[in-house]
Amino acid sequence: KNQVEQSPQSLIILEGKNCTLQCNYTVSPFSNLRWYKQDTGRGPVSLTIMTFSENTKSNGRYTATLDADTKQSSLHITASQLSDSASYICVVSEDTGRRALTFGSGTRLQVQP
Amino acid sequence: DADVTQTPRNRITKTGKRIMLECSQTKGHDRMYWYRQDPGLGLRLIYYSFDVKDINKGEISDGYSVSRQAQAKFSLSLESAIPNQTALYFCATSDSRQGTQPQHFGDGTRLSIL
Repeated sequence: KNQVEQSPQSLIILEGKNCTLQCNYTVSPFSNLRWYKQDTGRGPVSLTIMTFSENTKSNGRYTATLDADTKQSSLHITASQLSDSASYICVVSEDTGRRALTFGSGTRLQVQP
Repeated sequence: DADVTQTPRNRITKTGKRIMLECSQTKGHDRMYWYRQDPGLGLRLIYYSFDVKDINKGEISDGYSVSRQAQAKFSLSLESAIPNQTALYFCATSDSRQGTQPQHFGDGTRLSIL
């Protein structure tokens, strides 16, 4: 069964600090991996999408990495801001006709002043 | 205005009632999806539609039905609501020309069934 595991479940950091969120998956065959940010009371918003051939992709202070061999991805947040407080969701797509998605349960990040 | 609009945003109802959640989009996307989100779990796909005449079941479609009234509108119905359908429901859209993952989500409908 395809699975996406995220760690940690929750994280508290001080404003200005960096942090890294992890995503391990067993989805096969792999098509792409997307990170979403979900603010409380809002829908998820896409941050990055990575295909098999991409190792790193940045979006401002967010940098995602992908190791397709070990089936791991990370999301690194640099110089955190209070507005980064949210849940971060990793989603992996199968490389099949159906392109089924498997969602991780998310990491809840709290940035404190 | 939001690109993906869900109504209502909140709903409290009783077991056995019929409920309809509505979703409309201004993105011009051809694909639309309904998900539910429960605490501690990832989003789970209920139904998806690749165009007006194409409706497909997701992983947890039992107890739900959908209608794609137009390219911009996709509604989700609970024919006879039960308490374990209490959850946060999201509608999403994607453009088939840009891949298959949902690209835009609505802000959700919080549904409580007593």
